[in-house]
Amino acid sequence: DQQVKQNSPSLSVQEGRISILNCDYTNSMFDYFLWYKKYPAEGPTFLISISSIKDKNEDGRFTVFLNKSAKHLSLHIVPSQPGDSAVYFCAATGGKLIFGQGTTLQVKP
Amino acid sequence: GAGVSQSPSNKVTEKGKDVELRCDPISGHTALYWYRQSLGQGLEFLIYFQGNSAPDKSGLPSDRFSAERTGGSVSTLTIQRTQQEDSAVYLCASSFNSGMETQYFGPGTRLLVL
Repeated sequence: DQQVKQNSPSLSVQEGRISILNCDYTNSMFDYFLWYKKYPAEGPTFLISISSIKDKNEDGRFTVFLNKSAKHLSLHIVPSQPGDSAVYFCAATGGKLIFGQGTTLQVKP
Repeated sequence: GAGVSQSPSNKVTEKGKDVELRCDPISGHTALYWYRQSLGQGLEFLIYFQGNSAPDKSGLPSDRFSAERTGGSVSTLTIQRTQQEDSAVYLCASSFNSGMETQYFGPGTRLLVL
Protein backbone atom coordinates (compact mmCIF):
# COMPACT_ATOMS: atom_id res chain seq x y z
CA ASP A 1 0.00 0.00 0.00
CA GLN A 2 1.72 3.14 -1.25
CA GLN A 3 0.94 5.84 1.31
CA VAL A 4 2.89 8.51 -0.54
CA LYS A 5 2.62 8.63 -4.31
CA GLN A 6 4.38 10.62 -6.96
CA ASN A 7 2.47 9.71 -10.08
CA SER A 8 4.78 11.42 -12.57
CA PRO A 9 8.03 9.50 -12.94
CA SER A 10 9.59 12.29 -14.98
CA LEU A 11 9.21 15.94 -15.88
CA SER A 12 11.01 18.06 -18.46
CA VAL A 13 11.04 21.85 -18.22
CA GLN A 14 12.77 24.66 -20.06
CA GLU A 15 15.26 26.75 -18.14
CA GLY A 16 13.62 29.82 -16.61
CA ARG A 17 10.17 28.25 -16.53
CA ILE A 18 8.31 26.91 -13.52
CA SER A 19 8.69 23.27 -12.46
CA ILE A 20 5.78 21.78 -10.55
CA LEU A 21 6.25 18.43 -8.87
CA ASN A 22 3.24 16.74 -7.34
CA CYS A 23 2.74 14.32 -4.49
CA ASP A 24 -0.37 12.65 -3.06
CA TYR A 25 -0.75 10.89 0.25
CA THR A 26 -3.40 8.70 1.81
CA ASN A 27 -2.73 8.82 5.55
CA SER A 28 -4.49 11.73 7.26
CA MET A 29 -2.28 11.21 10.32
CA PHE A 30 0.77 12.59 8.49
CA ASP A 31 1.63 15.93 10.05
CA TYR A 32 4.89 16.92 8.42
CA PHE A 33 5.96 16.80 4.80
CA LEU A 34 9.37 17.13 3.20
CA TRP A 35 10.99 17.29 -0.20
CA TYR A 36 14.38 15.77 -0.87
CA LYS A 37 16.56 16.14 -3.94
CA LYS A 38 18.87 13.41 -5.13
CA TYR A 39 21.69 13.62 -7.65
CA PRO A 40 23.06 10.43 -9.23
CA ALA A 41 25.48 8.51 -7.00
CA GLU A 42 24.68 10.71 -4.01
CA GLY A 43 22.33 10.38 -1.06
CA PRO A 44 19.18 12.52 -0.93
CA THR A 45 19.53 16.01 0.50
CA PHE A 46 16.82 17.88 2.32
CA LEU A 47 15.24 20.67 0.30
CA ILE A 48 12.18 22.11 2.00
CA SER A 49 9.46 21.07 4.44
CA ILE A 50 6.00 22.05 5.58
CA SER A 51 3.98 21.37 8.69
CA SER A 52 0.36 20.32 8.40
CA ILE A 53 -0.71 23.52 10.15
CA LYS A 54 0.48 25.54 7.16
CA ASP A 55 -0.53 25.54 3.52
CA LYS A 56 2.55 27.19 2.04
CA ASN A 57 6.23 27.45 2.76
CA GLU A 58 8.66 29.40 0.62
CA ASP A 59 12.44 29.31 0.49
CA GLY A 60 14.02 31.22 -2.34
CA ARG A 61 13.09 29.64 -5.66
CA PHE A 62 11.35 26.74 -3.90
CA THR A 63 7.78 26.81 -2.61
CA VAL A 64 5.85 23.89 -1.18
CA PHE A 65 2.07 23.96 -1.14
CA LEU A 66 -0.07 21.69 1.01
CA ASN A 67 -3.75 20.97 0.38
CA LYS A 68 -4.86 18.86 3.33
CA SER A 69 -8.41 18.34 2.11
CA ALA A 70 -7.09 16.88 -1.12
CA LYS A 71 -4.16 15.15 0.60
CA HIS A 72 -1.90 16.72 -1.98
CA LEU A 73 1.31 18.65 -1.89
CA SER A 74 3.37 20.21 -4.62
CA LEU A 75 6.81 21.68 -5.02
CA HIS A 76 7.22 24.71 -7.26
CA ILE A 77 10.62 25.72 -8.53
CA VAL A 78 10.78 29.06 -10.26
CA PRO A 79 12.76 29.95 -12.22
CA SER A 80 14.06 26.46 -12.99
CA GLN A 81 17.78 26.07 -13.58
CA PRO A 82 19.77 23.26 -15.25
CA GLY A 83 21.37 22.50 -11.87
CA ASP A 84 17.93 21.62 -10.54
CA SER A 85 17.96 18.50 -12.70
CA ALA A 86 17.72 15.64 -10.21
CA VAL A 87 15.31 13.16 -8.71
CA TYR A 88 12.88 14.75 -6.26
CA PHE A 89 11.32 12.70 -3.48
CA CYS A 90 8.43 13.83 -1.37
CA ALA A 91 8.15 12.33 2.08
CA ALA A 92 5.61 12.39 4.86
CA THR A 93 5.80 11.56 8.51
CA GLY A 94 3.57 11.00 11.47
CA GLY A 95 6.40 9.05 13.04
CA LYS A 96 8.70 7.40 10.54
CA LEU A 97 9.36 8.94 7.19
CA ILE A 98 7.55 7.48 4.18
CA PHE A 99 8.90 8.39 0.75
CA GLY A 100 7.27 8.59 -2.63
CA GLN A 101 8.76 6.92 -5.68
CA GLY A 102 10.46 10.07 -6.91
CA THR A 103 10.13 12.29 -9.97
CA THR A 104 13.08 12.87 -12.26
CA LEU A 105 13.25 16.52 -13.24
CA GLN A 106 15.20 17.58 -16.29
CA VAL A 107 15.70 21.28 -16.83
CA LYS A 108 16.81 21.99 -20.39
CA PRO A 109 19.05 24.99 -21.13
CA GLY B 1 34.02 14.90 6.89
CA ALA B 2 31.17 15.50 9.32
CA GLY B 3 28.45 13.83 7.25
CA VAL B 4 26.99 10.34 7.25
CA SER B 5 29.42 7.83 5.78
CA GLN B 6 28.73 4.38 4.43
CA SER B 7 30.95 1.52 3.41
CA PRO B 8 31.56 -0.11 1.08
CA SER B 9 30.41 2.26 -1.64
CA ASN B 10 29.92 -0.67 -4.01
CA LYS B 11 29.52 -4.38 -3.35
CA VAL B 12 29.20 -7.20 -5.85
CA THR B 13 28.36 -10.59 -4.42
CA GLU B 14 27.17 -13.98 -5.50
CA LYS B 15 23.68 -15.20 -4.80
CA GLY B 16 23.55 -17.02 -1.49
CA LYS B 17 26.41 -15.14 0.14
CA ASP B 18 26.03 -12.91 3.20
CA VAL B 19 26.87 -9.20 3.07
CA GLU B 20 27.41 -6.54 5.73
CA LEU B 21 26.87 -2.86 5.07
CA ARG B 22 28.16 -0.24 7.46
CA CYS B 23 26.87 3.19 8.40
CA ASP B 24 28.61 5.86 10.46
CA PRO B 25 26.04 8.50 11.43
CA ILE B 26 26.72 12.12 12.23
CA SER B 27 28.17 12.42 15.72
CA GLY B 28 25.50 13.22 18.28
CA HIS B 29 22.60 12.04 16.14
CA THR B 30 20.43 9.67 18.13
CA ALA B 31 18.22 8.45 15.30
CA LEU B 32 19.51 6.23 12.49
CA TYR B 33 17.57 4.89 9.54
CA TRP B 34 18.20 2.38 6.79
CA TYR B 35 16.43 2.62 3.44
CA ARG B 36 16.88 0.97 0.10
CA GLN B 37 16.18 2.16 -3.39
CA SER B 38 15.66 -0.51 -5.99
CA LEU B 39 16.00 0.37 -9.67
CA GLY B 40 13.07 2.57 -10.70
CA GLN B 41 11.57 2.52 -7.23
CA GLY B 42 11.29 5.06 -4.46
CA LEU B 43 13.02 4.98 -1.14
CA GLU B 44 11.83 2.02 0.92
CA PHE B 45 12.09 2.22 4.70
CA LEU B 46 13.85 -0.76 6.27
CA ILE B 47 14.66 -0.13 9.93
CA TYR B 48 14.97 2.72 12.41
CA PHE B 49 16.98 3.08 15.61
CA GLN B 50 16.25 5.76 18.19
CA GLY B 51 18.58 5.98 21.14
CA ASN B 52 18.34 2.93 23.39
CA SER B 53 14.78 2.07 22.36
CA ALA B 54 13.95 -1.15 20.58
CA PRO B 55 14.39 -0.62 16.83
CA ASP B 56 11.44 -0.32 14.48
CA LYS B 57 12.02 -3.27 12.16
CA SER B 58 8.69 -3.03 10.39
CA GLY B 59 10.24 -2.34 6.99
CA LEU B 60 12.60 -5.30 6.81
CA PRO B 61 11.45 -7.37 3.81
CA SER B 62 12.39 -10.78 5.18
CA ASP B 63 14.15 -12.50 8.06
CA ARG B 64 17.30 -12.57 5.94
CA PHE B 65 17.69 -8.89 6.79
CA SER B 66 18.91 -7.72 10.17
CA ALA B 67 20.58 -4.65 11.56
CA GLU B 68 22.25 -3.62 14.74
CA ARG B 69 23.57 -0.43 16.16
CA THR B 70 26.42 -0.73 18.60
CA GLY B 71 27.04 1.87 21.27
CA GLY B 72 24.37 4.11 19.84
CA SER B 73 26.60 5.04 16.91
CA VAL B 74 27.76 2.79 14.07
CA SER B 75 25.17 0.53 12.48
CA THR B 76 25.56 -2.62 10.40
CA LEU B 77 22.91 -3.94 8.04
CA THR B 78 23.35 -7.64 7.33
CA ILE B 79 21.72 -9.50 4.47
CA GLN B 80 22.03 -13.26 4.70
CA ARG B 81 21.79 -15.63 1.74
CA THR B 82 21.51 -12.76 -0.71
CA GLN B 83 19.09 -12.98 -3.63
CA GLN B 84 19.17 -11.12 -6.93
CA GLU B 85 16.17 -9.04 -5.88
CA ASP B 86 18.27 -7.66 -3.02
CA SER B 87 20.25 -5.67 -5.59
CA ALA B 88 19.65 -2.01 -4.77
CA VAL B 89 21.22 1.08 -3.29
CA TYR B 90 21.12 0.88 0.48
CA LEU B 91 20.98 4.30 2.11
CA CYS B 92 21.59 5.21 5.70
CA ALA B 93 20.39 8.43 7.29
CA SER B 94 20.69 9.99 10.71
CA SER B 95 18.97 12.81 12.52
CA PHE B 96 19.49 14.58 15.79
CA ASN B 97 16.25 13.18 17.05
CA SER B 98 13.29 11.44 15.46
CA GLY B 99 10.01 12.54 13.96
CA MET B 100 10.20 15.95 12.33
CA GLU B 101 13.96 16.24 12.36
CA THR B 102 15.65 16.54 9.00
CA GLN B 103 17.42 13.36 8.06
CA TYR B 104 20.90 13.53 6.60
CA PHE B 105 21.70 10.79 4.15
CA GLY B 106 24.91 9.00 3.39
CA PRO B 107 26.02 8.34 -0.20
CA GLY B 108 24.68 4.79 -0.14
CA THR B 109 26.07 1.35 -0.83
CA ARG B 110 25.32 -0.08 -4.27
CA LEU B 111 24.75 -3.79 -3.90
CA LEU B 112 24.70 -6.07 -6.90
CA VAL B 113 23.83 -9.72 -6.38
CA LEU B 114 24.82 -11.89 -9.32
